[in-house]
Amino acid sequence: EPEVTQTPSHQVTQMGQEVILRCVPISNHLYFYWYRQILGQKVEFLVSFYNNEISEKSEIFDDQFSVERPDGSNFTLKIRSTKLEDSAMYFCASLTGTSGYNEQFFGPGTRLTVL
Amino acid sequence: QKEVEQNSGPLSVPEGAIASLNCTYSDRGSQSFFWYRQYSGKSPELIMFIYSNGDKEDGRFTAQLNKASQYVSLLIRDSQPSDSATYLCAVKGQNFVFGPGTRLSVLP
Repeated sequence: EPEVTQTPSHQVTQMGQEVILRCVPISNHLYFYWYRQILGQKVEFLVSFYNNEISEKSEIFDDQFSVERPDGSNFTLKIRSTKLEDSAMYFCASLTGTSGYNEQFFGPGTRLTVL
Repeated sequence: QKEVEQNSGPLSVPEGAIASLNCTYSDRGSQSFFWYRQYSGKSPELIMFIYSNGDKEDGRFTAQLNKASQYVSLLIRDSQPSDSATYLCAVKGQNFVFGPGTRLSVLP
């Protein structure tokens, strides 16, 4: 069964460093999302991406964040200068967008630890 | 601010009982409603979605939607210890908004 994959599973970085989190969405899906979940807190929407551009972004998704779909398969989230409060699980998700339904499938997540 | 509210729990039920999980949302323009299960340290896993008022059943799970009351619920029949997890309600209008989750504990 197709699934969303994410790499790395765990990333440790120093404050101020840049990180790139990678996702491979399900191949026939058209909409892509990044979410963040700080430990013990709720899943928070960061950004949605469709047709090679950002559709929506939340207040969390400031100038330090960017997303790209550099090729036909990968979808990346870049944090330019990490802060301690960026430590969280980051989930990528995708959905087809073609069936009229909105079944969103999540990847396993990347745990980001900023020291 | 679009909000989704859930009781944080923990909700404890004995094995074999019915677990009832509730969710309210603020955005009347919301179109679709989802229940996810999340085990500790894992990603959310879709259990059910519902779009129309009324009940929708899938195996041991029943989702109920009342748009007038802005209320969604999930019933889990014959609860099993493996159902112990955090259950997330998610609502989609423009984008997905998640509730904080209800922690369910099914006691053997």
